[in-house]
Amino acid sequence: AQSVTQLGSHVSVSEGALVLLRCNYSSSVPPYLFWYVQYPNQGLQLLLKYTSAATLVKGINGFEAEFKKSETSFHLTKPSAHMSDAAEYFCAVSDGRDDKIIFGKGTRLHILP
Amino acid sequence: NAGVTQTPKFQVLKTGQSMTLQCAQDMNHNSMYWYRQDPGMGLRLIYYSASEGTTDKGEVPNGYNVSRLNKREFSLRLESAAPSQTSVYFCATTRPGQNYEQYFGPGTRLTVT
Repeated sequence: AQSVTQLGSHVSVSEGALVLLRCNYSSSVPPYLFWYVQYPNQGLQLLLKYTSAATLVKGINGFEAEFKKSETSFHLTKPSAHMSDAAEYFCAVSDGRDDKIIFGKGTRLHILP
Repeated sequence: NAGVTQTPKFQVLKTGQSMTLQCAQDMNHNSMYWYRQDPGMGLRLIYYSASEGTTDKGEVPNGYNVSRLNKREFSLRLESAAPSQTSVYFCATTRPGQNYEQYFGPGTRLTVT
């Protein structure tokens, strides 16, 4: 069965500092991996996705994530945090066998001035 | 294109009351989903529909029913609301093809007193 673990329910970084949000997955087959962002009182929107092409995936708003099969990880990074990045971030996995994806519990990112 | 729309945006119910949450999409997607989001729990799948006329249970289906009225609409019904169903409900659709990327509505915030 597939699963996703996000390390840290809350992460705080200073404006201009590196953002690193951690995600580890479990899947019996090569997975599809996603990062979604949710701004306050809004639905989720896709930041980026891994679909077995390049292992380094670039997304919107300067975010990127690297698929590391040996570590079963798909961590999200951004070199320099901006106040507008404050939101909740969800990692998700699909094994491609059906149309379902499994979400992690989310990490709330706080940006300190 | 409106994408995925949900009505209502907010609702307060008393225990035992019933209501239907509506979801519609104009993206011509086959698969539609209902999730609930609770603090610290991420998104949990309630029901999904792979195509018109089919529905399947997700992770937390108890207390809910669904109807896939046509390709565009997928409704979620609470027959006898309970305080444990206080949550934010999201409808989503999947983009056809191999990517399994999901598109979300803006959510319905439901409070059961």
